[in-house]
Amino acid sequence: DAGVIQSPRHEVTEMGQEVTLRCKPISGHNSLFWYRQTMMRGLELLIYFNNNVPIDDSGMPEDRFSAKMPNASFSTLKIQPSEPRDSAVYFCASSRDQGVADTQYFGPGTRLTVL
Amino acid sequence: AQSVSQHNHHVILSEAASLELGCNYSYGGTVNLFWYVQYPGQHLQLLLKYFSGDPLVKGIKGFEAEFIKSKFSFNLRKPSVQWSDTAEYFCAVNMDTGRRALTFGSGTRLQVQP
Repeated sequence: DAGVIQSPRHEVTEMGQEVTLRCKPISGHNSLFWYRQTMMRGLELLIYFNNNVPIDDSGMPEDRFSAKMPNASFSTLKIQPSEPRDSAVYFCASSRDQGVADTQYFGPGTRLTVL
Repeated sequence: AQSVSQHNHHVILSEAASLELGCNYSYGGTVNLFWYVQYPGQHLQLLLKYFSGDPLVKGIKGFEAEFIKSKFSFNLRKPSVQWSDTAEYFCAVNMDTGRRALTFGSGTRLQVQP
């Protein structure tokens, strides 16, 4: 199993530009999570999907952030326009959706730097 | 609001020393508890988890954790650390609110000196 795949691994962009982060969950997993890791706030959930449907987006910072999951094997997190305070590592995780004791498997993350 | 606290932010140990990292959560209901590890430059990996049964849970690489419900704690232990255990350790909790996402602690950076 390839694990959760994220791309790109590193992204450097200028303020105001659009950024799209991509995630491919583990095959057979029904839940997908987007987390953000910063020094100030640690690891925090942005949004999660179950069976491709957004269930909880209460962690999405503002309208500049949007996430989609068009099918079971692909999700995107888009920031438009990007700002320097969006600089962070963005992790995608997936789980089998067997209940709240699911193990979430994390991808390698995308390190985003907004100049 | 529910929260997870890891009071040790940075721990420095010598090889062969014993390790205990604290984790406390604030929620009165049923919880599922996890410890994840993040080695330098790598993604988070599950060390162990508790969701029911024996409160003493054994995980990979010789780690174990004990769930003490009365103390709202889930401390991570290892009797003898190795240099390769240098990493950041995150406690995470899933509370029975139906929300599947994990609430993470702020992490503890462990540095093991040879």
